[in-house]
Amino acid sequence: QLQLQESGPGLVKPSETLSLTCTVSGGSINSNHYWGWLRQPPGKGLEWIGSTYYSANTYYNPSLKSRVTISVDSSKNQFSLELRSVTAADTAVYYCAKSPPGGSAAYDYWGQGTLVTVSS
Amino acid sequence: QSALTQPPSASGSPGQSVTISCTGTSSDVGSYNYVSWYQQHAGKAPKLMIYEVTKRPSGVPDRFSGSKSGNTASLTVSGLQAEDEADYYCSSFAVGKEVFGTGTKVTVL
Repeated sequence: QLQLQESGPGLVKPSETLSLTCTVSGGSINSNHYWGWLRQPPGKGLEWIGSTYYSANTYYNPSLKSRVTISVDSSKNQFSLELRSVTAADTAVYYCAKSPPGGSAAYDYWGQGTLVTVSS
Repeated sequence: QSALTQPPSASGSPGQSVTISCTGTSSDVGSYNYVSWYQQHAGKAPKLMIYEVTKRPSGVPDRFSGSKSGNTASLTVSGLQAEDEADYYCSSFAVGKEVFGTGTKVTVL
């Protein structure tokens, strides 16, 4: 059974960098799937941050592109998110997720989510 | 970025059907058959209910169905059950991005 688990600090100071890791178990990250990051501010809707495919193709939300990097560590079966120069508006539950085979701009497996608060 | 438009709320009695709309543009919903629907219970991660407009992942009841006409996609839940009470979000592929809907709270009366 495939499982995804987010990890990282729950509190980040304004202007600093938010860093999260998603550990994939029960399946290989080197497979015909997109691996994505999404977020949901408290009480609000979902937002796609970006996704990566076979580590070679990475796509970002244009509204976040200048501040985001998604990377893959195949040896650890993990992928990571970096969001730079954070503000209070970046406070959200962050999810990592996997797509069905080939993509489909959909996500069929999700991590439980991790709340990241941006505050001094 | 512009979110897809969904009605804030929808409701129905047990056994009835409810349909949720998701209106986009010719740059997203209208141009691609990559529309998905997610169910989210409070405090939980979203669950994929429909992808590629009409496909159901394994384990999703056939009471859930999707369709699309022009720039508007729809999710229909037939035979409403108490456990269907949740927030529902649509999403669509658009060039260079994926965009989500504003969300609809479904209440089972």
